[in-house]
Amino acid sequence: AQSVSQHNHHVILSEAASLELGCNYSYGGTVNLFWYVQYPGQHLQLLLKYFSGDPLVKGIKGFEAEFIKSKFSFNLRKPSVQWSDTAEYFCAVNSMNTGFQKLVFGTGTRLLVSP
Amino acid sequence: EAGVTQFPSHSVIEKGQTVTLRCDPISGHDNLYWYRRVMGKEIKFLLHFVKESKQDESGMPNNRFLAERTGGTYSTLKVQPAELEDSGVYFCASSQGTAGNEKLFFGSGTQLSVL
Repeated sequence: AQSVSQHNHHVILSEAASLELGCNYSYGGTVNLFWYVQYPGQHLQLLLKYFSGDPLVKGIKGFEAEFIKSKFSFNLRKPSVQWSDTAEYFCAVNSMNTGFQKLVFGTGTRLLVSP
Repeated sequence: EAGVTQFPSHSVIEKGQTVTLRCDPISGHDNLYWYRRVMGKEIKFLLHFVKESKQDESGMPNNRFLAERTGGTYSTLKVQPAELEDSGVYFCASSQGTAGNEKLFFGSGTQLSVL
């Protein structure tokens, strides 16, 4: 079955540490890739997305992600995290195989940043 | 601009009862989606409306779930009769376009607990 894997379920970092959250997907062909974030008590919101062009995508709040087609990966990075980055992060994909209107999500990564 | 709103935010019911969840999308968004997250697992697609028409309901678990979007505005998701495994967070999302790479705007979700 088509799937999205997020390898880290829980990550704990100190402020100013660098962050990388892994995401791998199992589709071939054309894909659109997304990272969504859910801050405590808030709704899911889009961090960044890739659908074509430069594989290094920059999003809000200093986040970036790199699409590596050969590795079927779309890892999320931030050079220096802040306490306010504490949240749950979801990688998501859609493709011609899934139907472009249907997002397939990973299981999420809970990030805790200690001050 | 008002976001996607969902009601209720929490619902606790007994097995065998009926529950109806409501979603009000952003005004002007023709696309409306329902997703569900069972505790600890991935967020899963349930169905997609374009205006009042069901475009894709391949993710609906079984015939105990009924979604409607009369008039192409708000949507309801009814579970009748509810079972224990229906517990989870039900998210609604809306979007303007149908290209597949557009941003989804999510509601805060309805936490459903079936006892």
